[in-house]
Amino acid sequence: AQTVTQSQPEMSVQEAETVTLSCTYDTSESNYYLFWYKQPPSRQMILVIRQEAYKQQNATENRFSVNFQKAAKSFSLKISDSQLGDTAMYFCAFMKSGAGSYQLTFGKGTKLSVIP
Amino acid sequence: DAGITQSPRHKVTETGTPVTLRCHQTENHRYMYWYRQDPGHGLRLIHYSYGVKDTDKGEVSDGYSVSRSKTEDFLLTLESATSSQTSVYFCATRLLTSGHYEQYFGPGTRLTVT
Repeated sequence: AQTVTQSQPEMSVQEAETVTLSCTYDTSESNYYLFWYKQPPSRQMILVIRQEAYKQQNATENRFSVNFQKAAKSFSLKISDSQLGDTAMYFCAFMKSGAGSYQLTFGKGTKLSVIP
Repeated sequence: DAGITQSPRHKVTETGTPVTLRCHQTENHRYMYWYRQDPGHGLRLIHYSYGVKDTDKGEVSDGYSVSRSKTEDFLLTLESATSSQTSVYFCATRLLTSGHYEQYFGPGTRLTVT
């Protein structure tokens, strides 16, 4: 079974600054995906970024980038130029690839507040 | 946008009553999932479906059943609701995007069992 750990229940950042959210995971699988989801106060779950485990290159999506350290089983999210709209819960999630259910295993989340 | 809707969006019910939540998708995706979200737990898988009439249990399936008679609809039933089932319920579908699988979520249903 996989486990995902987010060790920072809450964080805050000043508008326009950079913040990094931490995530570690434990698995015996070799092929998998890692994701970051954003959940704003509207409650909608929004996919922010995806990383394939076989890729060494870190994924980026505009102001969002990840630091994927496969050997250390670490997957952090960096948000640059933080905006008020980035205020949300952020969830790290693991998906085994190949055959199977492709279910997501989530961490408990980090509540990010962007301060004007 | 995976074209996922959930109904109802909010429901208050009494302990012991049956409740059915509906997930509807318009994109003909094969895999569908039900998760529940509780404070301090993130999202946890209840049941999933890999085709019409094909379903399997997830991590927290006790007290829940599911059905999928059509590709577009995935129903979650609480046979006899309990206060521990007060939660926010999310439906999701699996998509193949740029050669890789991702899950996209519906807007959620807030269920309160009194």
